[in-house]
Amino acid sequence: IQLTQSPSLLSASVGDRVTLSCKGSQNINNYLAWYQQKLGEAPKLLIYNTNSLQTGIPSRFSGSGSGTDYTLTISSLQPEDVATYFCYQYNNGLTFGSGTKLEIK
Amino acid sequence: EVQLVESGGGLVQPGRSMKLSCAASGFTFNNYDMAWVCQAPKKGLEWVATISYDGSSTYYRDSVKGRFTISRDNAKSTLYLQMDSLRSEDTATYYCARHGISGVFDYWGQGVMVTVSS
Repeated sequence: IQLTQSPSLLSASVGDRVTLSCKGSQNINNYLAWYQQKLGEAPKLLIYNTNSLQTGIPSRFSGSGSGTDYTLTISSLQPEDVATYFCYQYNNGLTFGSGTKLEIK
Repeated sequence: EVQLVESGGGLVQPGRSMKLSCAASGFTFNNYDMAWVCQAPKKGLEWVATISYDGSSTYYRDSVKGRFTISRDNAKSTLYLQMDSLRSEDTATYYCARHGISGVFDYWGQGVMVTVSS
């Protein structure tokens, strides 16, 4: 399964509601996770099984979706959210999306 | 606290070998499947290989089958990746990761850089 993330680059203001998209080439059956990777750091798990928040992750992060289309939403963008976000499917094989780089405007 | 610490990276010539290690602590190592994930410079993430909790099963991405070997020593809580016949396209940061719930990688090491170049 191939994953297409959009946009590749997103610039938003502090406090904005931000939505990142991930589309699969086939049905992912909700086996979709999201990772945050800050510059020079390892990826950090944010969301798994489409909408389950990983322990310790702020509640401003949420996930949704079904079938082939999934979304990561940040309800109120904070400066520390600057990072690249990757989606990841584990329904059929293990593949990552190409990432969305999130910047502060 | 879960900790995964990789070691063994560096510069290696094409065709040569290198072995990576990942020391795990803060959890019961032999209860979890483990994996290696790589990231080429300024590129995305790619799953490389997975080993079951007891070492009985291993899985590889096609591009490394027959060249890379994942293994583990549960007595030492250590994961390994033996990389043979290295190619320039293997140049990447290699992360050790724990398979948590439903196959998701829930904890990652800090990564180790492998550069394949003459």
